[in-house]
Amino acid sequence: AQSVTQLGSHVSVSEGALVLLRCNYSSSVPPYLFWYVQYPNQGLQLLLKYTSAATLVKGINGFEAEFKKSETSFHLTKPSAHMSDAAEYFCAVSDPTDKLIFGTGTRLQVFP
Amino acid sequence: ETGVTQTPRHLVMGMTNKKSLKCEQHLGHNAMYWYKQSAKKPLELMFVYSLEERVENNSVPSRFSPECPNSSHLFLHLHTLQPEDSALYLCASSPRGRLAKNIQYFGAGTRLSVL
Repeated sequence: AQSVTQLGSHVSVSEGALVLLRCNYSSSVPPYLFWYVQYPNQGLQLLLKYTSAATLVKGINGFEAEFKKSETSFHLTKPSAHMSDAAEYFCAVSDPTDKLIFGTGTRLQVFP
Repeated sequence: ETGVTQTPRHLVMGMTNKKSLKCEQHLGHNAMYWYKQSAKKPLELMFVYSLEERVENNSVPSRFSPECPNSSHLFLHLHTLQPEDSALYLCASSPRGRLAKNIQYFGAGTRLSVL
């Protein structure tokens, strides 16, 4: 069965530092992979998605993620954190029935 | 503005009450979803409607009853809920059916508290 593991429920970085949010997945079929962001009091918003094209996917707000099949990973990165990046981030993988399986989320805090 | 509007934003209800959550999408999509978001748990898919037909019901208790009168509106009718049903309920929609590769667009959610 498909599953998603997000390592670290909380990540704290200083403004201007590298952001790295980890996501590992298991999938019995070539997956579609997504990162969504949830700002306080809002719904989820798509950051980026992987659908078997380029393995390095660029998203909104300077985020990108690299699909590594050998490591079953789809980590999210941003070279320089901004205060406005503080939010909760969710990784998701599709399953063979076209359902999205979400991780438990990682809350990113950015300190000045 | 995501194009998916949920009302009310907050709801407090007793265990014997009956209430309804409403979701409206202005994006021309033809698939709509209800999710439950609880603290420290993954989003739980509750129901999926595609072209106004329910295509997914994930063993949700019968005290939750969905309704999709047209492709733009989705309701979640609630009755005799339990305190453990307190959560954020999110509505989403996607274009061209419920294919997983389709992006889902989420509303801001209804924060439900059951006393």
